[in-house]
Amino acid sequence: SQQGEEDPQALSIQEGENATMNCSYKTSINNLQWYRQNSGRGLVHLILIRSNEREKHSGRLRVTLDTSKKSSSLLITASRAADTASYFCATRRGAGNMLTFGGGTRLMVKP
Amino acid sequence: GAVVSQHPSWVICKSGTSVKIECRSLDFQATTMFWYRQFPKQSLMLMATSNEGSKATYEQGVEKDKFLINHASLTLSTLTVTSAHPEDSSFYICSARDGGTYNEQFFGPGTRLTVL
Repeated sequence: SQQGEEDPQALSIQEGENATMNCSYKTSINNLQWYRQNSGRGLVHLILIRSNEREKHSGRLRVTLDTSKKSSSLLITASRAADTASYFCATRRGAGNMLTFGGGTRLMVKP
Repeated sequence: GAVVSQHPSWVICKSGTSVKIECRSLDFQATTMFWYRQFPKQSLMLMATSNEGSKATYEQGVEKDKFLINHASLTLSTLTVTSAHPEDSSFYICSARDGGTYNEQFFGPGTRLTVL
């Protein structure tokens, strides 16, 4: 089963609006990462937030982490059409320390 | 940042044939490589983890005899889909972990497999 679950599964907004995506996970984590994937392409690492951090910023991205609720959110401010993509949260698990991905949110930003 | 390449980027094959996908870490040594599969509009599902020089560890439900993984060197892992069938059509993504300075996973661009 997947470690992370995301909502919404799909989100459609107008350019300039903010987009918020949420991720919940089940077990303890050392860090949580967010990735972007354009259709049919590979993954692009966006941001990593450690378990002892509550909020992190990178450009138009803002990530929050609530370890008590086992949840994280990704906020994209002033969205652009080029932000149209799928966004995944990922956590590490297991002895092999591999990344496990949430279901993803498909974001469409309309120009 | 570290670069991971995959070859081919896409492949179309007939049912029953075998297909080999290569994953290379270009500027670092990858002690561990991971293979993921992604069906349309779904998330990445881990198939197997491979450590250089040892047998791969497969996730539950992944047939090791069908998806052969070889990690013969610190910069190359291969995934062979044997006797491919249309249901094996998917996007296959490899990831390599830099066991050194960063100890992070870096992802390849993916390989689109279509089995006719």
